[in-house]
Formats: sequence, C-alpha cells, structure tokens
Amino acid sequence: QKEVEQDPGPLSVPEGAIVSLNCTYSNSAFQYFMWYRQYSRKGPELLMYTYSSGNKEDGRFTAQVDKSSKYISLFIRDSQPSDSATYLCAMSAQGGSEKLVFGKGTKLTVNP
Amino acid sequence: DTGVSQNPRHKITKRGQNVTFRCDPISEHNRLYWYRQTLGQGPEFLTYFQNEAQLEKSGLLSDRFSAERPKGSFSTLEIQRTEQGDSAMYLCASSPRPGGSYEQYFGPGTRLTVT
Repeated sequence: QKEVEQDPGPLSVPEGAIVSLNCTYSNSAFQYFMWYRQYSRKGPELLMYTYSSGNKEDGRFTAQVDKSSKYISLFIRDSQPSDSATYLCAMSAQGGSEKLVFGKGTKLTVNP
Repeated sequence: DTGVSQNPRHKITKRGQNVTFRCDPISEHNRLYWYRQTLGQGPEFLTYFQNEAQLEKSGLLSDRFSAERPKGSFSTLEIQRTEQGDSAMYLCASSPRPGGSYEQYFGPGTRLTVT
C-alpha cells in the first residue's frame, strides 16, 4: 500500500460545476498538506497549504483535512475550463527532511 | 522572475552519456529539493540540501546520481552513464525552512529523454 492514495481519474465536469478531489494517507506523522496544480509538461504550482486538521478557503478553492480519517479534500467551486489540469495532493511530516510525499494526481477536464 | 528556475528545460541524450541539470532556487530559501516525476505518477523525492549541506539522499536511485549545492545557492544534479529508465521530468523545489513556512515551490522542471 502506498503512503498516499489518489484516484487518477480522469474526471470530466461541465463548466460551473463543483469539483471534489480527494486523497487518503496511511502515515499518521503527516502534519502538512498541500495541493498542487500541474499543467501538461509544466512544474507543479502550489494552490493550497494546510497545517493539521481543518478547512482553508482561498477564492474558489477550499481545502479540508480530516486527520482522524486520514483523508484530505480539495473543492473547486464554479469550475472554469482554465482549471483543466492534473491536481496533486502532497504531504509531509514535521522534522527531518520534511520531504513531500505525493499522490499520483487526478486529471481534471472542465468542459465549456 | 523570482521563482525557481531550471535549466535546461529539455535534454535529449544517448544512453551512456552523462548529463547535468541546474536549479536556481528562490532567493534566500535555505532548502532545495530534487524530485523525479515519471508519466502518470506524482513527483518522488531524490535528495535535499539545507544551505550547502546535503542532509538526505535516500531517494537517489543509484550511485550514478549525484547532486551538489557548493555555495548554498544554485544546485546541480548529475546522472552518469544514463539509461533509458532515467527518462523522466526532474523537478527542483525550494523552501524557506527551517524557520519559515513549510510550502515548497517548484520550478518548471527539466525533461530528460534518453535514446
């Protein structure tokens, strides 16, 4: 079992839909949770960063962390065609390298 | 542009050749990370530096891989005697840790193709 599991999709939605992206993890030491957006053949772009449990909102994006269930989510409201990309969840433990452990990524297409 | 930069963006090489990639982190970021990403997968950790010290290299795939950050600023990743299995995107990230926030910011990557 991988430390971080993420459904690779693909996920296709109409413009304006609410998108829900999820990851589960097995390492209870993870404390820091991030979502990255990656366009084809580009580097990952940091979207959201959350420490421990709770919610964080930034514009159309909301990140949720449930440490008791080892489950994190990213919601995108009023999705736009420009949101079409691969979304990667990533997490790290405190101390040491604090290296990021990534999910496989979910490929999202928003259709106009 | 004050983001992470990587050069070259794309490298095509023949099997058996050596290649070197360069990463320039965000100014004053102490930590620099190297990751590797293959098609359909998330990035995987290779090694990281805090200033000029290489503190972990558990992800380096073999002794053909090496990295340096001689003055605590830019870093290079070298692959010797390349193999077709080395074809991947090599990503660099920087972070203001320790002391700063935990976010890591990625560069555009260097795409390596070994023929």
